[in-house]
Amino acid sequence: DAGVTQSPTHLIKTRGQQVTLRCSPKSGHDTVSWYQQALGQGPQFIFQYYEEEERQRGNFPDRFSGHQFPNYSSELNVNALWLGDSALYLCASSLDQGAYGYTFGSGTRLTVV
Amino acid sequence: RKEVEQDPGPFNVPEGATVAFNCTYSNSASQSFFWYRQDCRKEPKLLMSVYSSGNEDGRFTAQLNRASQYISLLIRDSKLSDSATYLCVVSPLSSGSARQLTFGSGTQLTVLP
Repeated sequence: DAGVTQSPTHLIKTRGQQVTLRCSPKSGHDTVSWYQQALGQGPQFIFQYYEEEERQRGNFPDRFSGHQFPNYSSELNVNALWLGDSALYLCASSLDQGAYGYTFGSGTRLTVV
Repeated sequence: RKEVEQDPGPFNVPEGATVAFNCTYSNSASQSFFWYRQDCRKEPKLLMSVYSSGNEDGRFTAQLNRASQYISLLIRDSKLSDSATYLCVVSPLSSGSARQLTFGSGTQLTVLP
């Protein structure tokens, strides 16, 4: 039973560039949430996707956008990258918008230079 | 003020010691409470849920005081393998059905031989 899969594992981008991160949820899960974890901080909620729609959003600018596909996988897009976007990006999958708990992927470590 | 506040530590304790972590949350409407464990450069993993009546899982005991908006985690007989960052997590009441997780910044624990 595959857990949550994220790709790529590491990424280096230049300021101003755009990036797309990918997440495949755990088998049987239908909800994907994205979190940003800066060094020394706890994860911060970016947004949650359920039934291919953004259901809730944290305090992140519009440069952060996402998508959920019919197979429940999801993408996180960040435009106009700046140094402060450097972080570990975590995907968490769940069933029914988190009613039964979350499973986290191992994350994508993004470095913006 | 942060929604979830924790003492960042670090806590350095000898093997066999008892250590306690505390956490406060600001949203009185929060519904669900958890402790997650995060090893260095890994994803957070659920350690235990926290219930009003208090709950225990082996060497770990969690307590919740809703009136004081306070959560605690007690680890008895510390093992080297307990070395990690412990994240206090609440799931606030949201307008929709999405149950986002709000994390504290984490408390770092190192158990010394």
